[in-house]
Amino acid sequence: DAGVIQSPRHEVTEMGQEVTLRCKPISGHDYLFWYRQTMMRGLELLIYFNNNVPIDDSGMPEDRFSAKMPNASFSTLKIQPSEPRDSAVYFCASSRPGIDSINYGYTFGSGTRLTVV
Amino acid sequence: GDSVTQMEGPVTLSEEAFLTINCTYTATGYPSLFWYVQYPGEGLQLLLKATKADDKGSNKGFEATYRKETTSFHLEKGSVQVSDSAVYFCALTSAGGTSYGKLTFGQGTILTVHP
Repeated sequence: DAGVIQSPRHEVTEMGQEVTLRCKPISGHDYLFWYRQTMMRGLELLIYFNNNVPIDDSGMPEDRFSAKMPNASFSTLKIQPSEPRDSAVYFCASSRPGIDSINYGYTFGSGTRLTVV
Repeated sequence: GDSVTQMEGPVTLSEEAFLTINCTYTATGYPSLFWYVQYPGEGLQLLLKATKADDKGSNKGFEATYRKETTSFHLEKGSVQVSDSAVYFCALTSAGGTSYGKLTFGQGTILTVHP
């Protein structure tokens, strides 16, 4: 199993540009989570999906952020337009269905380090 | 709602010292409890877990016991190594409702171990 795959690993972009982060969850995992990590705010849950349906997007900071999961093997997090305060490491994680999501926790990707200049 | 509180960091220890990182929680129902570890430049990895009261999770010399009466899940290791330097996160997940499957994390504790 290749684990949760995120791309790109690093992204540097100019303020105002659109940024798209990508995630491929583990096959068979039906929960997918997007987190943002910064020194100031720690680890923040942005949004999560169950069976490709967004369940809770209350952590999405503002309308500039959007996330989609068109199928079970792919998700995107888009920021448009990007701002310097969006600079952070963005993690994707997936977990197994049902009670196994409780018993086994999450598998995290290696993250995308976003720098907006 | 659910919440996790970890001890203030960072924690700095010498090699072979005893480690304790405190974690307390607030949750409805009967949560499962986890410790995750994040090494520099990497994503979080599951370190250990406990799914019911009095369970002890253990892995790589680390241990934590699920204490329902004190709502705690403290992480311990008898003899730390330089390679244990990382950020440690306590987390919980509760069954039921819209929080099913959702992990709630503490703020993380930075551990630095010196030779």
